[in-house]
Amino acid sequence: DAKTTQPTSMDCAEGRAANLPCNHSTISGNEYVYWYRQIHSQGPQYIIHGLKNNETNEMASLIITEDRKSSTLILPHATLRDTAVYYCIVRAFTNTGNQFYFGTGTSLTVIP
Amino acid sequence: DADVTQTPRNRITKTGKRIMLECSQTKGHDRMYWYRQDPGLGLRLIYYSFDVKDINKGEISDGYSVSRQAQAKFSLSLESAIPNQTALYFCATSDRGKVSTDTQYFGPGTRLTVL
Repeated sequence: DAKTTQPTSMDCAEGRAANLPCNHSTISGNEYVYWYRQIHSQGPQYIIHGLKNNETNEMASLIITEDRKSSTLILPHATLRDTAVYYCIVRAFTNTGNQFYFGTGTSLTVIP
Repeated sequence: DADVTQTPRNRITKTGKRIMLECSQTKGHDRMYWYRQDPGLGLRLIYYSFDVKDINKGEISDGYSVSRQAQAKFSLSLESAIPNQTALYFCATSDRGKVSTDTQYFGPGTRLTVL
C-alpha cells in the first residue's frame, strides 16, 4: 500500500471549512483513498473513501487530484466535536490481506 | 460504532497472567480484525479472520492468539501478559460482500494495562 504524508497538526475556526491535505505520490491505479478519524482514544470512525472521482457524503467531501497524487478532506462547517486525529490511508482491496495502515495522522483542533 | 462491542473496556492485570479480550458484532460482517494502538502511534494489525475457519497473522502477532468462535465473535488472548503489551486494543469488522471496497468499522476499544 502506498505511503501517505499528512501535516502533524492543524487548527480551524468553528463554523469554517476544515481542509485536511494528504500526499500519496506513489499511489497505484487500484488503490483507494480512505479517511478515518479518531476522537480521543475512541475507535476510529470511517468518514469517506474514493478512487479517482470526488466524493461527498453527510460527513465530508473528498477531493482527489486528477493525477491522484494528493487529496483533501473537507469538513464544510467544522464544529468542536470535529476535534480529532484524521487519518488518510491508501490501500487496494484484495482477498488476501486487508490491513489498514494507520500512520500518525493530522491532529485537528477546532477553535471556538 | 454500537454494532461492534468489546469487553472488557478497561483491564489492569499483572505480568504473566492470561488475558482474553472479546469482540462481538451485530453487523453481519464476515471479516474481523484485532489492532493495537500505542500512545502517539498509529494502529497496528495483530490478527485477522475472513470467516469462522480462517485465521491470519498480522504485523505484530507474537505473544497473541485469537479464536473465531462464530461469525459474530472474535477473541484475542494474551497467554502470558507482559508490560509492553500495555496498549489500547481495537476490534474491527468489514463486509466481504462489498467487493469494490473493504471499509472497516471499529469497536470502542479496550484499554489494557499490564503491571
